[in-house]
Amino acid sequence: AQSVTQLDSQVPVFEEAPVELRCNYSSSVSVYLFWYVQYPNQGLQLLLKYLSGSTLVKGINGFEAEFNKSQTSFHLRKPSVHISDTAEYFCAVSVGGYGNKLVFGAGTILRVKS
Amino acid sequence: DAGITQSPRHKVTETGTPVTLRCHQTENHRYMYWYRQDPGHGLRLIHYSYGVKDTDKGEVSDGYSVSRSKTEDFLLTLESATSSQTSVYFCAISGSGAFMNTEAFFGQGTRLTVV
Repeated sequence: AQSVTQLDSQVPVFEEAPVELRCNYSSSVSVYLFWYVQYPNQGLQLLLKYLSGSTLVKGINGFEAEFNKSQTSFHLRKPSVHISDTAEYFCAVSVGGYGNKLVFGAGTILRVKS
Repeated sequence: DAGITQSPRHKVTETGTPVTLRCHQTENHRYMYWYRQDPGHGLRLIHYSYGVKDTDKGEVSDGYSVSRSKTEDFLLTLESATSSQTSVYFCAISGSGAFMNTEAFFGQGTRLTVV
């Protein structure tokens, strides 16, 4: 069974500093990876996705992630965070079969401080 | 925002009562999903549907049933609610065709408290 591990439950960072949120997944033949963001009391919004091709994926709000097959990682990065980036971030892997069933990590809360 | 409406948005119910949550979509997407979100667990798949009257179990399906009689509606029923089912429930939808078009879109969630 697929599994996703987010290595940090909370990441505090000062505004305008860089940030990396770490994600490791269990290996599989074909891997489709996603990062979602959840603002308080809201649903999940897709930040970016890796399906194939370039290992560096750019998403919305200045976020990017790098797929590393040898290390089975898909870490999320942003060079300069804003207060508005404070949210919970989820890494997810698609398990294939019908549709786009996802297995999620436990989430990382990003707290941006002024 | 994708056209997904969950109802109710909040509900408090008593242990042992049946509860039905509704997900309604206006996107005509083939696939629909129910997840639950709990601290420390992220989101976990309860059930999903791959067409009208076509459903299957997910990772945490015990105590839940689903039905899909129309493309646009996917119902989640807790047959006899327990305190362990206190959670936030999310509906999601995704389309068919090339995988590039199968992003999952999420509803706003239903906060269910079982007392």
